[in-house]
Parts: sequence; C-alpha cells; structure tokens
Amino acid sequence: DVKVTQSSRYLVKRTGEKVFLECVQDMDHENMFWYRQDPGLGLRLIYFSYDVKMKEKGDIPEGYSVSREKKERFSLILESASTNQTSMYLCASSLVTGEVEQYFGPGTRLTVT
Amino acid sequence: AQKVTQAQTEISVVEKEDVTLDCVYETRDTTYYLFWYKQPPSGELVFLIRRNSFDEQNEISGRYSWNFQKSTSSFNFTITASQVVDSAVYFCALSFYGQNFVFGPGTRLSVLP
Repeated sequence: DVKVTQSSRYLVKRTGEKVFLECVQDMDHENMFWYRQDPGLGLRLIYFSYDVKMKEKGDIPEGYSVSREKKERFSLILESASTNQTSMYLCASSLVTGEVEQYFGPGTRLTVT
Repeated sequence: AQKVTQAQTEISVVEKEDVTLDCVYETRDTTYYLFWYKQPPSGELVFLIRRNSFDEQNEISGRYSWNFQKSTSSFNFTITASQVVDSAVYFCALSFYGQNFVFGPGTRLSVLP
C-alpha cells in the first residue's frame, strides 16, 4: 500500500515564523504535490514536483516555497507565516501526472496566530 | 476551461437511505480521467475510483456505485443503504494526461443514526 506521511497533524506558529511542513512517501513516486484546503474553496494546488530538485508553481504559490532534495521527500516552506496561511495542508504523491490517482497524507492543520 | 461542479454542498440522510452525490464536469478534451475521493473527519483523502473517458461502463463496489454519462458530462456516485461511517466530505476530480487534477468543491454527507 502507498503510504504518505506528514510530519505533524497539528501545528501552531506565530506570525513571522518560518514554518516547515514535511511530507514523505514510500512508493517511489515521481510526482509530489502540496495543496491547501479551506472551507468553501476545496483543494487548491500550491506547488508540485515531478522529479528531484524540480518544482512547479500551482494555482496559489505566493507566500510559499518548496524543496525536494530526495525523491521520497517534499517540503513546503512558509518563509514568514501570516494569519491568512492558517489552513489544512495536504500532501499527495502519484506515479505519473494526470491519468492515475494521487495518494494523500493525513494533512497538517496549521494555525498561525 | 476545465471545471468540476458538485452542486450539493451538504446532504443529510438517515441511516439505510440511499444517497446520490452529483458531479458534473466541463472539458473539451476527448481523453480525460475522473476520480472520486472520500475525506472522513480524520482528514486524509481516500481514493475511491478512477474512470477514463473511454470507459462508460458503470461500476459497483459493495454499497458504492458510479454512473458515468458522457452525454451529460456527469459522474455520479451512489451509496446504497448508507451507514454512519459514510459520513465524510466527498470530492470529484478531473484530470488529463500530463496535467494536474481539477477538484470539485466537495459535498459533505452526514448520515444520521
């Protein structure tokens, strides 16, 4: 079974802090994704990566950056957290892009105060 | 433009009732893929089904069934004899070869005992 894990289920940070959200998958998937989920807005893609050290902006990349130094690990970085980044963050992975399912981690609920 | 609509924001049923979740998509492409995911209160999106645009055969898996109709651009999901454990947010998604997913806004299903 594919397993996607995220470093924290709940996280509370202060405005201005640098925040790292870590995601690890164990199925040798090429593609990894970061989404944020907000009530009424569904899932919105922040960044994705189709290979090590490769990254592409999604629909809402502003205020975020990512890092993929190893195939199994994809990190989301909030350089200076703000209250409007309070959200549920979901990581996903897939073998290829588009035509197959993505597998999701359990999510990290981030609160920025 | 690619778009997924789930017109039902919230549905509430009593246990053992049948319930259908609607999904309508928009695309001009002839090759595409459709998915359903379940997000229980724990937060993790769970993959339920994948369908490609050339396969209009309906699918049944236990109490779950899916009706794919290209003529109406719909991919509806029916739960027969609903149970409390079916309570979740359900997402429909659309994708294409080499491209990212387009998620619908989700339908929150509450099954009352």
